[in-house]
Amino acid sequence: QKEVEQNSGPLSVPEGAIASLNCTYSDRGSQSFFWYRQYSGKSPELIMFIYSNGDKEDGRFTAQLNKASQYVSLLIRDSQPSDSATYLCAVTNAGNMLTFGGGTRLMVKP
Amino acid sequence: NAGVTQTPKFQVLKTGQSMTLQCAQDMNHNSMYWYRQDPGMGLRLIYYSASEGTTDKGEVPNGYNVSRLNKREFSLRLESAAPSQTSVYFCASSEALSQGRTYTFGSGTRLTVV
Repeated sequence: QKEVEQNSGPLSVPEGAIASLNCTYSDRGSQSFFWYRQYSGKSPELIMFIYSNGDKEDGRFTAQLNKASQYVSLLIRDSQPSDSATYLCAVTNAGNMLTFGGGTRLMVKP
Repeated sequence: NAGVTQTPKFQVLKTGQSMTLQCAQDMNHNSMYWYRQDPGMGLRLIYYSASEGTTDKGEVPNGYNVSRLNKREFSLRLESAAPSQTSVYFCASSEALSQGRTYTFGSGTRLTVV
């Protein structure tokens, strides 16, 4: 079982809708959780991080963490075509490194 | 500009050839990492270096070697390239990953082995 799991997609949503991206992880010792956006041919860029249970909002983005269920999600409100990209979930545990999920490809249709 | 610099950006190798991917950071970070990215696989850790003078294997180290030349530079060597090593390679650096501190990525090296 992969340590960090994501649905590969593509997830297709209409412009203006809410996109919901999900991630599960297997290591209960995971401490911090990150969402990266990656455009085709580019390096990942950090969107959000969260380390406490609950919600964290930043503009159109909300990260949600449920450590009991080992689940982290990213909501994108008012989705725009420019949000079309692959979204990578990553977690840290002991060892000061990130373990990445396989990524979910998001397509926002005008 | 501060950041992580990777060279080359693109490379085509023949099976059996060797090459070294270079990575340098100017942020005084202790930790450096090499990942490979294949379609649908996310980023998988090849090797990492927690500090100058130390290196450790990651998830997919076979066929690779690394050198942490100094605090700034961390190179990845393919001694005998194989088609299975066709991938996009990312170098990253960081300080301790806590309170939201995270990686700074290089721009990547797209490697094709024919």
